[in-house]
Amino acid sequence: GNSVTQMEGPVTLSEEAFLTINCTYTATGYPSLFWYVQYPGEGLQLLLKATKADDKGSNKGFEATYRKETTSFHLEKGSVQVSDSAVYFCALSDQTGANNLFFGTGTRLTVIP
Amino acid sequence: EAGVAQSPRYKIIEKRQSVAFWCNPISGHATLYWYQQILGQGPKLLIQFQNNGVVDDSQLPKDRFSAERLKGVDSTLKIQPAKLEDSAVYLCASSLRGQGGTEAFFGQGTRLTVV
Repeated sequence: GNSVTQMEGPVTLSEEAFLTINCTYTATGYPSLFWYVQYPGEGLQLLLKATKADDKGSNKGFEATYRKETTSFHLEKGSVQVSDSAVYFCALSDQTGANNLFFGTGTRLTVIP
Repeated sequence: EAGVAQSPRYKIIEKRQSVAFWCNPISGHATLYWYQQILGQGPKLLIQFQNNGVVDDSQLPKDRFSAERLKGVDSTLKIQPAKLEDSAVYLCASSLRGQGGTEAFFGQGTRLTVV
């Protein structure tokens, strides 16, 4: 079946620190992979995605590479800002079927000045 | 472009009562989803519609949950009767189509507390 395992939080970093949030997946077939972000008081929104192996998704300084050999899609950012404080969700959808998203449990990031 | 609209934002009910949530997807989006997000967990799909037909409702507790999408636009999710374990945020999302890899846009959700 399909599942996502995500790094447990919470994560607290100082401004300008390097961020990594680990995500691994189990899927039948070749899924699309996503990172969604939920800022305080707001709905989930797509941060970045990758639809095939070795693709790199990037947005707002965040990036993640679809690694089929390690079934991973780790989120990275070189220098975090206070405004990046949010909950980050890794997710996958099965390309062969309906666009049902399977989510990880979420990682809460707090960036302190 | 207007986003996915949901109402109400918050609801508190007693167990065994009924409750309904409403969702208006982004205009032109054929696919609509309802997700349940229990505190500390990721969202879990309850039901997916393609236009006004059900694509996947395998995770919907059909003895108490029901959903409809009349005319392929707005949707309503109902719980009757509610249980304590139904306390969660109910998220509605829509996408242009239902194929894998398509971006889903989420509403702000309805936070349900069952007491």
